Amino acid sequence: EPEVTQTPSHQVTQMGQEVILRCVPISNHLYFYWYRQILGQKVEFLVSFYNNEISEKSEIFDDQFSVERPDGSNFTLKIRSTKLEDSAMYFCASSERGRVSGELFFGEGSRLTVL
Amino acid sequence: AQSVAQPEDQVNVAEGNPLTVKCTYSVSGNPYLFWYVQYPNRGLQFLLKYITGDNLVKGSYGFEAEFNKSQTSFHLKKPSALVSDSALYFCAVRATGTASKLTFGTGTRLQVT
Repeated sequence: EPEVTQTPSHQVTQMGQEVILRCVPISNHLYFYWYRQILGQKVEFLVSFYNNEISEKSEIFDDQFSVERPDGSNFTLKIRSTKLEDSAMYFCASSERGRVSGELFFGEGSRLTVL
Repeated sequence: AQSVAQPEDQVNVAEGNPLTVKCTYSVSGNPYLFWYVQYPNRGLQFLLKYITGDNLVKGSYGFEAEFNKSQTSFHLKKPSALVSDSALYFCAVRATGTASKLTFGTGTRLQVT
């Protein structure tokens, strides 16, 4: 069964460092998302991406965050200068259909620990 | 703005008993509603969704959910709980016509003993 894959599974970084989280969405999906979850709590929307541009972003997704689809398969989240409060589990998701009724398929997540 | 409320942080059920995990939503227009399950240190797995049609929808692992428009609810149910159902359950909503995000509730931890 096709799945969303994320790397790394766990990254530890120093405050102020740049981090790139990588995702390979399901191959025929067109809509891509990043969510984050702090300590097994609420799942928070960060950004959605379609047709090579951001569709929507939350207030969390400030200037230190960026997303990119550098090739036909990868979808990345970059955090330019990490803060302690960026420590969380980051989930990538993809959806075949965005505007209609498509459910999101999530990866297993990348745990980011900022020291 | 769309939102989801899951009023119970935790639900405890004995194995073999029916379970209900509650969810209410707020959205402009007609909603698309979803349930996801998260096992420890894992991602979110899709369980079921309501788009239109029958108010009772059936999903994976014997779960079902009932859409109630007048009460703006979408409670998750299962007739007979299993210990392996113990996990964190998230309700989510998306407004029709929006191309993007699901908004999740805070999650309900189901403990089956």
